[in-house]
Amino acid sequence: GAGVSQSPRYKVAKRGQDVALRCDPISGHVSLFWYQQALGQGPEFLTYFQNEAQLDKSGLPSDRFFAERPEGSVSTLKIQRTQQEDSAVYLCASSRETAYYEQYFGPGTRLTVT
Amino acid sequence: GIQVEQSPPDLILQEGANSTLRCNFSDSVNNLQWFHQNPWGQLINLFYIPSGTKQNGRLSATTVATERYSLLYISSSQTTDSGVYFCAVGSTSGTYKYIFGTGTRLKVLA
Repeated sequence: GAGVSQSPRYKVAKRGQDVALRCDPISGHVSLFWYQQALGQGPEFLTYFQNEAQLDKSGLPSDRFFAERPEGSVSTLKIQRTQQEDSAVYLCASSRETAYYEQYFGPGTRLTVT
Repeated sequence: GIQVEQSPPDLILQEGANSTLRCNFSDSVNNLQWFHQNPWGQLINLFYIPSGTKQNGRLSATTVATERYSLLYISSSQTTDSGVYFCAVGSTSGTYKYIFGTGTRLKVLA
């Protein structure tokens, strides 16, 4: 079946612009995660949804970052007033249930803020 | 929070060689996965292995949860094995998020 998809794959934004990154998880997956991966580093957790409920947003770096999953499927990560330090690859992952299930990752969105 | 360390950080092999990658973690975990990040950035699931041993072709993995480590074995390496290998763990308390190690960067030479 189809895997996790993300769009756009690449995004260039001028500093100060708002951006929206989309994640389509595997159909029927309950859990959805967003991670941020800086160049040369491992992915770092941003936020977690169980269906439409955002249960953990402890990794969001500032209040400029906002995520939603209103119908429990597609999710959007929004970054307001982008800064150069926001340049990274943003990865989305989904898993079938909550605990004790493997996560499947999308291809990521590479954001470059100029 | 939980700490995840991977070793070695870099590894260069001749095609056909075998290797062992290690992941140490500082606390009890309920989830553990090994991933291969290919040169295009895609994270490919290798193993979901919170405990025990699994094998898939030339790859195998072992997790000894009581001693807080996991090993990934690559046998008869191929150039397509090149990339970064990540271990990711989820703790037993609270959130289901993964903490990733810093990765092992593998280059296999023809």
